[in-house]
Amino acid sequence: GENVEQHPSTLSVQEGDSAVIKCTYSDSASNYFPWYKQELGKRPQLIIDIRSNVGEKKDQRIAVTLNKTAKHFSLHITETQPEDSAVYFCAAPSLISSGSARQLTFGSGTQLTVLP
Amino acid sequence: GAGVSQSPSNKVTEKGKDVELRCDPISGHTALYWYRQRLGQGLEFLIYFQGNSAPDKSGLPSDRFSAERTGESVSTLTIQRTQQEDSAVYLCASSFGQGRETQYFGPGTRLLVL
Repeated sequence: GENVEQHPSTLSVQEGDSAVIKCTYSDSASNYFPWYKQELGKRPQLIIDIRSNVGEKKDQRIAVTLNKTAKHFSLHITETQPEDSAVYFCAAPSLISSGSARQLTFGSGTQLTVLP
Repeated sequence: GAGVSQSPSNKVTEKGKDVELRCDPISGHTALYWYRQRLGQGLEFLIYFQGNSAPDKSGLPSDRFSAERTGESVSTLTIQRTQQEDSAVYLCASSFGQGRETQYFGPGTRLLVL
């Protein structure tokens, strides 16, 4: 199955600086990589995702890069704001134990704190 | 359209009692997942339903945990003889499945076992 590792576990940045969170995966067949943001007491929300046919995707201040050869992908947040403070989870699909279908395996999460 | 909904939003129970948590997935989503999230921790996979296939129960922590799903709709997660270590937020998610893996989460049920 898939093994997803996420670093760092905590990250503090000054408002306006950039934040980068990195994940590695083990299954070379994985082809879809989402990122979720979870604010305190709220549900995880999808913020951006990338498929393996592209190397980078941007959405305003958020970008994700993918290196298939090295099997890692990263979340980049530029011009950080206090409302970006949350836990961020990466994920990658993995074959389930009972067949050929895939489900997501999540990283352990990164607590991002943006200091005003 | 409507998102994933869960009920109850909060549940307080006494140790040893049984609890039942409910999840209503997004209409048309064939895949449904249950996760457990302890305070300050990540998402712990519990069980996965895909259409009418046999569920993947590989994440259930003990035989006190079970889940059912009626067709491609509502799912219930049952915890029997609850223990204090069962206290957590139980999150449900759904997706279109069949290679369309994006999961959409419900608001969760916060379970506290006294």
